[in-house]
Amino acid sequence: DGGITQSPKYLFRKEGQNVTLSCEQNLNHDAMYWYRQDPGQGLRLIYYSQIVNDFQKGDIAEGYSVSREKKESFPLTVTSAQKNPTAFYLCASSMTLRDRSTQYFGPGTRLTVL
Amino acid sequence: GESVGLHLPTLSVQEGDNSIINCAYSNSASDYFIWYKQESGKGPQFIIDIRSNMDKRQGQRVTVLLNKTVKHLSLQIAATQPGDSAVYFCAVDTGRRALTFGSGTRLQVQP
Repeated sequence: DGGITQSPKYLFRKEGQNVTLSCEQNLNHDAMYWYRQDPGQGLRLIYYSQIVNDFQKGDIAEGYSVSREKKESFPLTVTSAQKNPTAFYLCASSMTLRDRSTQYFGPGTRLTVL
Repeated sequence: GESVGLHLPTLSVQEGDNSIINCAYSNSASDYFIWYKQESGKGPQFIIDIRSNMDKRQGQRVTVLLNKTVKHLSLQIAATQPGDSAVYFCAVDTGRRALTFGSGTRLQVQP
């Protein structure tokens, strides 16, 4: 089955700790994205990557970091500098950045800071 | 910039009725519009899209209408079923780096 996987589904973190969310795709897509979803709000772009070894800040990148060492993987680290990290995090991919209108989403990771 | 909003946070309909979910956008340069469905605890799924050179597009039980004059987009679902219960988002592509997403409307289908 082709698709995007995110793990874990639920994640709990203590304040002051960094945590890494996994995102893997086997769609052979060049572009990948990370979004944050809060109740009553639309998806907000954290980071995106249009190709391996490249990534760009989105609208709310502060307190987050990413890497893109492999085409199929785009992990997101939520650092202790992120002041309000509790949210639902969604990873997505598209064939290319130009094809961003056709994004495929993963199932999401719900992060809760205790 | 672009802002995208929806007219109602929750829409409740009877099974078998038609549903209409609305979305307003602000940037007249927006050229591509997408509707997504998100079920509880899952990622959004593509439903239907429409380009700015069209005013209507139909899919299976779904129709999207675009009114560029008033910057308004709607999703119509015919014969709504319990499986249609979800949050529906519109997203807008202005040709910049990313899509702009609306906050979503929760559709509740009553049996």
